[in-house]
Amino acid sequence: RKEVEQDPGPFNVPEGATVAFNCTYSNSASQSFFWYRQDCRKEPKLLMSVYSSGNEDGRFTAQLNRASQYISLLIRDSKLSDSATYLCVVEVSGNTPLVFGKGTRLSVIA
Amino acid sequence: DAGVIQSPRHEVTEMGQEVTLRCKPISGHNSLFWYRQTMMRGLELLIYFNNNVPIDDSGMPEDRFSAKMPNASFSTLKIQPSEPRDSAVYFCASSLEVAQYFGPGTRLTVT
Repeated sequence: RKEVEQDPGPFNVPEGATVAFNCTYSNSASQSFFWYRQDCRKEPKLLMSVYSSGNEDGRFTAQLNRASQYISLLIRDSKLSDSATYLCVVEVSGNTPLVFGKGTRLSVIA
Repeated sequence: DAGVIQSPRHEVTEMGQEVTLRCKPISGHNSLFWYRQTMMRGLELLIYFNNNVPIDDSGMPEDRFSAKMPNASFSTLKIQPSEPRDSAVYFCASSLEVAQYFGPGTRLTVT
């Protein structure tokens, strides 16, 4: 089983739609969780951290379910500029580097 | 604020040539990571340093790859000799705590 698994997509949604991505991780000892965004031919950029209580940043909401070992990202009122690949990222412990999923591709269509 | 700086941004070379990729991490960050990204394999961690010391190089594919971090503000990734299968985007990232911040990458093409 891969350490971090994501549906590669693509998710094609119209502008204004709400879209959700899930990600599962295999190591129950994982401690920190993030969503990164990567635009075509660009570097991954930190979108948001994911906290146990769930957190929101504008149109973006991230949630963590430790019991089921999955993380979600919800995007409300999708914009064309949200089109990108979203990478789920997990840190197993404080002394190990981040593990990146292969990403979920989102395409927001006018 | 300056982010992670990488050079060159693009490199085209012939197989058998030596390639050196450079990275300047964000000032004050104490960890540095080298990644390779391809369509097929996604983002792969090659090696990382903590306080300039290599901690884990198990991701380095072969002896042809080597990395150094002579000081806190500079690191190199060298491929010698290069092969066509090394063609990829190579990213450098740095961190202070957990979250990593990536440079713009070097797109390497080996013909």
